[in-house]
Amino acid sequence: KAGVTQTPRYLIKTRGQQVTLSCSPISGHRSVSWYQQTPGQGLQFLFEYFSETQRNKGNFPGRFSGRQFSNSRSEMNVSTLELGDSALYLCASSLTDRGRFTDTQYFGPGTRLTVL
Amino acid sequence: AQKITQTQPGMFVQEKEAVTLDCTYDTSDPSYGLFWYKQPSSGEMIFLIYQGSYDQQNATEGRYSLNFQKARKSANLVISASQLGDSAMYFCAMRGNQGGKLIFGQGTELSVKP
Repeated sequence: KAGVTQTPRYLIKTRGQQVTLSCSPISGHRSVSWYQQTPGQGLQFLFEYFSETQRNKGNFPGRFSGRQFSNSRSEMNVSTLELGDSALYLCASSLTDRGRFTDTQYFGPGTRLTVL
Repeated sequence: AQKITQTQPGMFVQEKEAVTLDCTYDTSDPSYGLFWYKQPSSGEMIFLIYQGSYDQQNATEGRYSLNFQKARKSANLVISASQLGDSAMYFCAMRGNQGGKLIFGQGTELSVKP
């Protein structure tokens, strides 16, 4: 079974631009979560989607948004990019919809975003 | 609030030896899950092992085992017979029943020496 895929793997943008990252979950997984990883802040939760609905959101400004499609694929968008948005963005999928503590999240390879 | 603490920023281990990576956690949730992930330099987070708060026995997955001490709120990862390919960042994470997000520690960088 194929794992979580993320595209693109690398991206370079300039300040003020916007960017869209894509994530395809493991087949059959319906929940998708996004995380931002930076050297200073570590891994931080962005948001979680299930059945095209955002179930949880982390403490990020409104410039960060996301959505999920009917086939469970998800996209996240960052508008008006800032230098501090440079990070590794990781997508994770899990099997169930309940968000229970037993659900394991499986991660993709990440998209490394550089903002110049 | 939930919190994960990994106090070892970096560790060295000789190939074929065992190593323990420390993780302590704090939560008020009665039910929670503890996870360990490995992140090689390529960036992908690889799931290693899971321990549920109600599990009576320590989890094991091949060369990985989790030393779970609930009263001390610790969930240390033990890697037996270290291999060169084990060199990576290791993250301890926790998930409660309050939502889907994982709370991560700051990670431990493990270097395996030949």
